Amino acid sequence: SAVISQKPSRDICQRGTSLTIQCQVDSQVTMMFWYRQQPGQSLTLIATANQGSEATYESGFVIDKFPISRPNLTFSTLTVSNMSPEDSSIYLCSVRASGRNEQYFGPGTRLTVT
Amino acid sequence: GDSVTQMEGPVTLSEEAFLTINCTYTATGYPSLFWYVQYPGEGLQLLLKATKADDKGSNKGFEATYRKETTSFHLEKGSVQVSDSAVYFCARGSQGNLIFGKGTKLSVKP
Repeated sequence: SAVISQKPSRDICQRGTSLTIQCQVDSQVTMMFWYRQQPGQSLTLIATANQGSEATYESGFVIDKFPISRPNLTFSTLTVSNMSPEDSSIYLCSVRASGRNEQYFGPGTRLTVT
Repeated sequence: GDSVTQMEGPVTLSEEAFLTINCTYTATGYPSLFWYVQYPGEGLQLLLKATKADDKGSNKGFEATYRKETTSFHLEKGSVQVSDSAVYFCARGSQGNLIFGKGTKLSVKP
């Protein structure tokens, strides 16, 4: 399984600001994903991060609010823009290798917006 | 659409008790099925998986069998430990992504 790290591990941010979360994988992977886990809830897929092209967003999530970059096969960033308290969540990146059907998750970034 | 339903928690058990967490999925196609575990303050870890009917996934004493006829993938463990206290998520593959259940919190008391 891949080793995945995320930065920062947690942050407290003020309303109206933006935060960029980094996800680094120790090997090249085909697919990278970003999920949100609101307090006490399950995981919701935000988008699939595509290498070299625009991310594919799920219903209810838009690029202006959650811009994503994926410059290569081992790294991706998710930005949470113009934050409000409703954005307080854990944000997780995950990866899936080519030919595999399971995903492996990073440790998550715990975001609190005040 | 695709969905996963798992039993509501929280579940509280004494150490060495038998654990069952129920999970059912919508039966479109033949999805891969997974159980993930989230320990307090951590990310999700893949616990076990099954990719076709009658497959049994197992890991760390946990087991789950892919039951096509009942569209179920119940998680079981014969004797739980305090260290098993965590949130357990059932998930199904869906067009290359994962659909998660709502999670079941397990607390094991000594």
